[in-house]
Amino acid sequence: NAGVTQTPKFRVLKTGQSMTLLCAQDMNHEYMYWYRQDPGMGLRLIHYSVGEGTTAKGEVPDGYNVSRLKKQNFLLGLESAAPSQTSVYFCASSYSGQGSANQPQHFGDGTRLSI
Amino acid sequence: DQQVKQNSPSLSVQEGRISILNCDYTNSMFDYFLWYKKYPAEGPTFLISISSIKDKNEDGRFTVFLNKSAKHLSLHIVPSQPGDSAVYFCAARASGANNLFFGTGTRLTVIP
Repeated sequence: NAGVTQTPKFRVLKTGQSMTLLCAQDMNHEYMYWYRQDPGMGLRLIHYSVGEGTTAKGEVPDGYNVSRLKKQNFLLGLESAAPSQTSVYFCASSYSGQGSANQPQHFGDGTRLSI
Repeated sequence: DQQVKQNSPSLSVQEGRISILNCDYTNSMFDYFLWYKKYPAEGPTFLISISSIKDKNEDGRFTVFLNKSAKHLSLHIVPSQPGDSAVYFCAARASGANNLFFGTGTRLTVIP
């Protein structure tokens, strides 16, 4: 059981390049999230999705776009990478069925992105 | 503005002793609190949680205490083991919201 899988694990980009980070979960979770973690800071929410075809902005959405075309996948896109987007990116998912008011998020192992 | 704060960046404890990790929050709308543990090069792993209707939740060696009036929670690990050495993140969520707010983490080192 893979849980939450992120690809790639590492990537180096040049300023202005674009790329897409892929998150896949096999737990049939409705909710999915993208976070970034920077030195000296906690994880901060970029965007999230409460179901297939839906997306919403989190705490730090600027410079990123997301898509949730399939329930199991949540993509994070950088259209024009900037040095300020150098970070470790984590994807998470959580259950949303009955009794799910207090359900933890399950995280992938992260993507280290350097720009 | 950091809504969840972990003021101790690091903590060292002898094996077998108690580890106490602290967390403070500012948003009175938070009603669900979680602790995550993170090893290097891995994602955070859920450890234990507590709802605001409780003041204590216990799971094996791990106990979380919540003091709503002080907007403070703590994680107790007894007895501490070398395998507990990791970064611990406190997180909180407001009622009806989807997003978690994380603290900056505390690096726990358990000395054998």
